Amino acid sequence: GNSVTQMEGPVTLSEEAFLTINCTYTATGYPSLFWYVQYPGEGLQLLLKATKADDKGSNKGFEATYRKETTSFHLEKGSVQVSDSAVYFCALSDGTNAGKSTFGDGTTLTVKP
Amino acid sequence: GAGVSQSPRYKVAKRGQDVALRCDPISGHVSLFWYQQALGQGPEFLTYFQNEAQLDKSGLPSDRFFAERPEGSVSTLKIQRTQQEDSAVYLCASSLYTGGGNEQYFGPGTRLTVT
Repeated sequence: GNSVTQMEGPVTLSEEAFLTINCTYTATGYPSLFWYVQYPGEGLQLLLKATKADDKGSNKGFEATYRKETTSFHLEKGSVQVSDSAVYFCALSDGTNAGKSTFGDGTTLTVKP
Repeated sequence: GAGVSQSPRYKVAKRGQDVALRCDPISGHVSLFWYQQALGQGPEFLTYFQNEAQLDKSGLPSDRFFAERPEGSVSTLKIQRTQQEDSAVYLCASSLYTGGGNEQYFGPGTRLTVT
């Protein structure tokens, strides 16, 4: 079956540091890949997505590239801010299952001033 | 505009009680998903509706769990004879279309605690 493995946290960084959160997946077919973010006290919201190999998703300074050869979708940001402190979830959606998503366990990021 | 709403936000049930969790998706969204999120883990799929049709219920953990969406909008997840292992956050998500590449919009969740 489908699975997502993401870097264990928590991750603590200083403001303006470079961020990488690793995510690898196992799936049949050609899944779409997502990063969701959950800010404190809020619900999950989509951060970025990529629907085919070599696509790069980007939003709010975050980027992730769909790498089929390494089955990865690592999240990166060049300079984090305190407001980026949140839990980040990598997910995949297998097109054969009408959009049903499989999630990783989440990585908690804390950015200190 | 209004997002996905869920009620109640918090529910405490004694073991053996029945509970009903409500989801109001974004108006016009065809797809509706229920997920279960245990503490410290990612959401896990429970069931999926396309309009009023329940097309996938492979994630429901037992026959105590039942979901419906009779008019293709509001959905209810019912858990009968709750057990302690049912304690989790229950998330509802909706999507405008069907298919794997479409964004899912999540509600705030219902935190269920079974004592």
